[in-house]
Amino acid sequence: QKEVEQDPGPLSVPEGAIVSLNCTYSNSAFQYFMWYRQYSRKGPELLMYTYSSGNKEDGRFTAQVDKSSKYISLFIRDSQPSDSATYLCAMSAGSGGYQKVTFGTGTKLQVIP
Amino acid sequence: DAGITQSPRYKITETGRQVTLMCHQTWSHSYMFWYRQDLGHGLRLIYYSAAADITDKGEVPDGYVVSRSKTENFPLTLESATRSQTSVYFCASSEFTNPSGRGTDTQYFGPGTRLTVL
Repeated sequence: QKEVEQDPGPLSVPEGAIVSLNCTYSNSAFQYFMWYRQYSRKGPELLMYTYSSGNKEDGRFTAQVDKSSKYISLFIRDSQPSDSATYLCAMSAGSGGYQKVTFGTGTKLQVIP
Repeated sequence: DAGITQSPRYKITETGRQVTLMCHQTWSHSYMFWYRQDLGHGLRLIYYSAAADITDKGEVPDGYVVSRSKTENFPLTLESATRSQTSVYFCASSEFTNPSGRGTDTQYFGPGTRLTVL
């Protein structure tokens, strides 16, 4: 069993829809949770960074962590065609210094105009 | 330009040949990483480096060699390429601890090198 599970998709939604992307994990030591966005033929870029449980909002993006269920989500409101990309969840056990990062396999999202 | 660059962007080689992928960053980040990205596996760490002349194995190091003689460069060499090494390779860099207190879980990735081994 992988430490981090992520549905590969693809997920196709119409423009303006609310998108929900999810990951589950098995390692209870994970405390820091990230979402990276990767456009086609580009490198991943950090989109959201959260600590422990709760919500974090940044514009149209909301990251949600439920440590009790070992489940994290990324919500995208008013989705745009420019949001079409692969979204990778990532996790680490600590902050500061060297931290091993475990990535999910990514969910491919397509927003249709 | 500031940032992290990789070269070549595309490479086709034959089984048994030696191939070197280059990575250069201008941020003076102490940490640098090499990943490979394959369908169904996501990003897997090959090697990382904490500073010049300090390197360590990641999850899938077999068949790869790295060096880091200068802080800004982190080349990855496939000594004798195999078909199973066909992949997209990403280099990344990170500060040990950034001004926000985050560590190497905040990484900045290069554009990738798409390598095909025939």
